[in-house]
Amino acid sequence: DTAVSQTPKYLVTQMGNDKSIKCEQNLGHDTMYWYKQDSKKFLKIMFSYNNKELIINETVPNRFSPKSPDKAHLNLHINSLELGDSAVYFCASSETGRRTEAFFGQGTRLTVV
Amino acid sequence: AQSVTQLGSHVSVSEGALVLLRCNYSSSVPPYLFWYVQYPNQGLQLLLKYTSAATLVKGINGFEAEFKKSETSFHLTKPSAHMRDAAEYFCAVSGLNTGNQFYFGTGTSLTVIP
Repeated sequence: DTAVSQTPKYLVTQMGNDKSIKCEQNLGHDTMYWYKQDSKKFLKIMFSYNNKELIINETVPNRFSPKSPDKAHLNLHINSLELGDSAVYFCASSETGRRTEAFFGQGTRLTVV
Repeated sequence: AQSVTQLGSHVSVSEGALVLLRCNYSSSVPPYLFWYVQYPNQGLQLLLKYTSAATLVKGINGFEAEFKKSETSFHLTKPSAHMRDAAEYFCAVSGLNTGNQFYFGTGTSLTVIP
């Protein structure tokens, strides 16, 4: 069973469109994250979220918004897509306050044309 | 604030040679430190982690890392490189001071020469 799964794996869309990436974890973790990996492989945290708190990286445009219907899901919505949004987006999860690692999904490669 | 710095964005070694990937951390309190590996077109996989127990940590695939507080380092080593070790390696830090978020270094691309 996949611990952290993202869909879709690939997403090609036009500028100005709105899109969503879904993420689900079956590890029972209470914190989930979204990371952006650019073409230089830099990993930048965008959001972390648990049932108590949403932490937003201040550099993330407000076109990006996380939506969590329940503890096992954290979806990423992106409005008015721009060329610079092209990247690989990773979802991850971990247990809050414990000395455990983050578990990552396989990534979603977003290409904006 | 906590952060990690990876020295060397690209490292090349011959097959069978020692692998040494460098990571230095910056933290006002003892951090939790991690090494992840990313193979092409895949997600990140944990190699090993330091969480204030033993300072020498052994991980998967023959990798190990040593936490050295005096040097604020957590370098990753493997005695003998294999072709399958070619990948991107990331050092990461987390802890209470990061709001339980994980912050990653800029990554080191390891090339193994046959």
